[in-house]
Amino acid sequence: AQSVTQLGSHVSVSEGALVLLRCNYSSSVPPYLFWYVQYPNQGLQLLLKYTSAATLVKGINGFEAEFKKSETSFHLTKPSAHMSDAAEYFCAVRLSGNTGKLIFGQGTTLQVKP
Amino acid sequence: GAGVSQSPSNKVTEKGKDVELRCDPISGHTALYWYRQSLGQGLEFLIYFQGNSAPDKSGLPSDRFSAERTGGSVSTLTIQRTQQEDSAVYLCASSTRLAGVNEQYFGPGTRLTVT
Repeated sequence: AQSVTQLGSHVSVSEGALVLLRCNYSSSVPPYLFWYVQYPNQGLQLLLKYTSAATLVKGINGFEAEFKKSETSFHLTKPSAHMSDAAEYFCAVRLSGNTGKLIFGQGTTLQVKP
Repeated sequence: GAGVSQSPSNKVTEKGKDVELRCDPISGHTALYWYRQSLGQGLEFLIYFQGNSAPDKSGLPSDRFSAERTGGSVSTLTIQRTQQEDSAVYLCASSTRLAGVNEQYFGPGTRLTVT
């Protein structure tokens, strides 16, 4: 079965520092991968998605992620953290076949310190 | 344009009562999904619809949970005889079609508290 593992339930960085949120997936075939962000009391918003067109994917708000098949990873990065980036981040994999349903990681809460 | 909307935003109910949660997808989106977000289980898939049919109900936790979709639009998730473990945020999402990498757009969720 496909699964997603996010290493670190909480990550704390200083404003202006590099953000790195880790995501590893298990899949027998290249999957579709997503990063979502959830601000307090809001729904999930798509940051970016991997569709096999390019291994380095750029998303909104300055975030990007790199698909590394050899490492089965899809880590999310941002060069310089902003206070407004504080939120919970979810990595997700879309199951193969036609179900379309997403399997989510457990989430990583990003704290940005002034 | 209008996004996915859900109602109510908050629902407090007594154990044993039935509740109905509503989702209005983005107009024209044929695929609709229900997920549950709870502290212990994270984000879990419940059920999805393609049009009015639900090919995959595998995520429904028990037979107390059911969902329907009418007119290819609004969906209702019903929980009968609610239990305290049903307390969670129920999220609805929609997308333009099932296949491909069409992204799912999420609503703000309904926070259900069972007392």
